[in-house]
Amino acid sequence: DAGVIQSPRHEVTEMGQEVTLRCKPISGHNSLFWYRQTMMRGLELLIYFNNNVPIDDSGMPEDRFSAKMPNASFSTLKIQPSEPRDSAVYFCASSTRNLRSEQYFGPGTRLTVT
Amino acid sequence: QKEVEQNSGPLSVPEGAIASLNCTYSDRGSQSFFWYRQYSGKSPELIMFIYSNGDKEDGRFTAQLNKASQYVSLLIRDSQPSDSATYLCAVNRGSGGYQKVTFGTGTKLQVIP
Repeated sequence: DAGVIQSPRHEVTEMGQEVTLRCKPISGHNSLFWYRQTMMRGLELLIYFNNNVPIDDSGMPEDRFSAKMPNASFSTLKIQPSEPRDSAVYFCASSTRNLRSEQYFGPGTRLTVT
Repeated sequence: QKEVEQNSGPLSVPEGAIASLNCTYSDRGSQSFFWYRQYSGKSPELIMFIYSNGDKEDGRFTAQLNKASQYVSLLIRDSQPSDSATYLCAVNRGSGGYQKVTFGTGTKLQVIP
């Protein structure tokens, strides 16, 4: 299995621009997570999908952030408009629905907003 | 009180020593507990999980869980320089098949050759 795939790996954009991050979970996994990691705040859960349905989006910082999962093999996280404080590493992870299952993380997208 | 708390470190241990990493959590309903290792610039990867009170051993790693004290720890025996990384504690307090995973901010471990 190729593991969780994320694109792009690096993104540099200017403040105010729209940013779209993409994720392909591991085939057969029905739970998908988007995280943001910074030195100050660590790894923060942004949103969690189960069977393509958003279950918990309480971690989404504000309306500038949105996430979709149109099918079991693809998800996007969009930031519009982007701000410098959005600079972070964004991880996508997938797992089975079992409470005891581990999460498999993608390689992450390093976002820099100037 | 944070849901999952870890000392940020760095924790420095000499090569060959035992490294002890600790984590406390606030929700008594938490059911499953994970330790992830994250090398600098890389993504987290699972190294241990534990669900029941007591110890669980896997090679050089031992996870310890005490639900009464809401405490989970990770022991690394015979520490190697390659163990130098940040260790993240994760707690799943979900129910009904839905997950509710919270990560600690991680403890940075440095193994000195």
